[in-house]
Amino acid sequence: KAGVTQTPRYLIKTRGQQVTLSCSPISGHRSVSWYQQTPGQGLQFLFEYFSETQRNKGNFPGRFSGRQFSNSRSEMNVSTLELGDSALYLCASSLEGTEQFFGPGTRLTVL
Amino acid sequence: QQQVKQSPQSLIVQKGGISIINCAYENTAFDYFPWYQQFPGKGPALLIAIRPDVSEKKEGRFTISFNKSAKQFSLHIMDSQPGDSATYFCAATKESQGNLIFGKGTKLSVKP
Repeated sequence: KAGVTQTPRYLIKTRGQQVTLSCSPISGHRSVSWYQQTPGQGLQFLFEYFSETQRNKGNFPGRFSGRQFSNSRSEMNVSTLELGDSALYLCASSLEGTEQFFGPGTRLTVL
Repeated sequence: QQQVKQSPQSLIVQKGGISIINCAYENTAFDYFPWYQQFPGKGPALLIAIRPDVSEKKEGRFTISFNKSAKQFSLHIMDSQPGDSATYFCAATKESQGNLIFGKGTKLSVKP
């Protein structure tokens, strides 16, 4: 079974731009969760989608948004990028939200 | 109430020794407690997980001990190997919520 894939793996943007990251979950998994990982704050939950609906949301500003498609693939978008948005963005795939399997992440650098 | 506190921040163990990492949680509604292992440049990999109906779970060299009354759980790595050198994260959540609350991580270094 193929694992979780994330594209792109690396991204460099400048302040004020927007970015879209993509996640393809494990086949058959209906839940996709997104996390931000930074050296200072560690792993922080952004949001979770289950069957195309946002089921849970973390404590991030509205500039962070996401969506899930009917094939369970998910995208997250960050608008008006700030320097502090530089991080590793991880998505995790799960059957129903509990046992989560992570992808390799997208390394976002904001200049 | 959503915090998970993990200690120590870093740990150095000799090859063959036992590595012990501890976590404490506050929210009594949590009922799923996984441990993840992360190597540099990789995403976290699910190592082992426990639910509060058991006090211990063992998979190979990895054991989780769970103390519901103290709201604490720990990871024991027996016969630690240099290949175990990685950062370990504990987490907690309520089943099917989709939002893991992570500890800050423990960087384990196993010396040959």
